Amino acid sequence: DAGVIQSPRHEVTEMGQEVTLRCKPISGHDYLFWYRQTMMRGLELLIYFNNNVPIDDSGMPEDRFSAKMPNASFSTLKIQPSEPRDSAVYFCASSSQDRADYGYTFGSGTRLTVV
Amino acid sequence: SQQGEEDPQALSIQEGENATMNCSYKTSINNLQWYRQNSGRGLVHLILIRSNEREKHSGRLRVTLDTSKKSSSLLITASRAADTASYFCATGYAGANSKLTFGKGITLSVRP
Repeated sequence: DAGVIQSPRHEVTEMGQEVTLRCKPISGHDYLFWYRQTMMRGLELLIYFNNNVPIDDSGMPEDRFSAKMPNASFSTLKIQPSEPRDSAVYFCASSSQDRADYGYTFGSGTRLTVV
Repeated sequence: SQQGEEDPQALSIQEGENATMNCSYKTSINNLQWYRQNSGRGLVHLILIRSNEREKHSGRLRVTLDTSKKSSSLLITASRAADTASYFCATGYAGANSKLTFGKGITLSVRP
């Protein structure tokens, strides 16, 4: 398996623009998580899905953020409109209920810069 | 809010020495996990210990859990330069696949 695949790796956008981050989890994994990492706040859970259904979105900062998982192999995190304070590295991770001892598998992240 | 807090924030050791990193948390947990992050990369899962376990080993890694003190430690024996990375503890509550809350991490530098 190629692991969790995120795209793009880097994104630079202007304030006010829409940004879409993409994630392909590991095949067979039934949990998908979106995290954001900054120096100031560390790793923050934004939202997670189980079997494509959003379970907890309490970490989503505000209505500008939305996430979808239309099928088991794809998820998006959208920010509209983007602001400079959204600049961070966004990670997607997946895991399997059947292989819980193996923890999460993280993607390489998307480094977002909003100017 | 951050649940796990790692200690120390940074650690520098010589190759071959052992590295001990600590994690404390505030509320009862179901499991505690340790992850490694190399610069510019995603996190990699190292080991998971459940609340009813006290110690686990995996290769050069040894993790302990003391639920009475709400603390865990990660020991890396015979460290190598390749162990240089940030290490995070993460706490889970309602099962191994529930959401994890990560600490801010420990920066480990292993000098060749």
